[in-house]
Amino acid sequence: GAVVSQHPSRVICKSGTSVKIECRSLDFQATTMFWYRQFPKKSLMLMATSNEGSKATYEQGVEKDKFLINHASLTLSTLTVTSAHPEDSSFYICSASRLAGTDTQYFGPGTRLTVL
Amino acid sequence: AQKVTQAQTEISVVEKEDVTLDCVYETRDTTYYLFWYKQPPSGELVFLIRRNSFDEQNEISGRYSWNFQKSTSSFNFTITASQVVDSAVYFCALEDSGAGSYQLTFGKGTKLSVIP
Repeated sequence: GAVVSQHPSRVICKSGTSVKIECRSLDFQATTMFWYRQFPKKSLMLMATSNEGSKATYEQGVEKDKFLINHASLTLSTLTVTSAHPEDSSFYICSASRLAGTDTQYFGPGTRLTVL
Repeated sequence: AQKVTQAQTEISVVEKEDVTLDCVYETRDTTYYLFWYKQPPSGELVFLIRRNSFDEQNEISGRYSWNFQKSTSSFNFTITASQVVDSAVYFCALEDSGAGSYQLTFGKGTKLSVIP
């Protein structure tokens, strides 16, 4: 159990377009989902924490208008990168937890975003 | 503030050798969780272990073992008889109540290369 999927696994888009990434918990209900960004050969940087049905909490320095996060159900959270630019190119990883603070975060396989 | 230090950036070992990955953490909380994740070249983070701060018992799972020492704030990970499939980046992470959001703070990772 505790499988998290992400779609798409890889996306290439033109500068100025928007891209939506989906994160799904396949066999459990996730009260909390997290979105991370990982630069090449670097550690994971938390972008935001989202609880089902409420607004996401963004980390300092993360533009909430640029990285729109929606956690509409207990099994789905989406990250939309709006008006993407080349500097947004990165590896985006989501994780899901049944209940933050009491359960392990299980990670999705990641989405490689390349903005041309 | 929470902090996780993985001093070893890269380690290379020959197959069948034992290897220990170091992890030192800082937190003001008395209740916290420590994790190890494996990130193979495919990019997906694989959960290895979660340890509660009140449980200092060492754990062994097959060729993997973990040594938790609260006195030195360390949570080291040992792979016995390493195999090529163990080649990956390994992340140590800390989860505490911090700002109340139970976020994971990751170390910078240790890249392990097992040479056949």
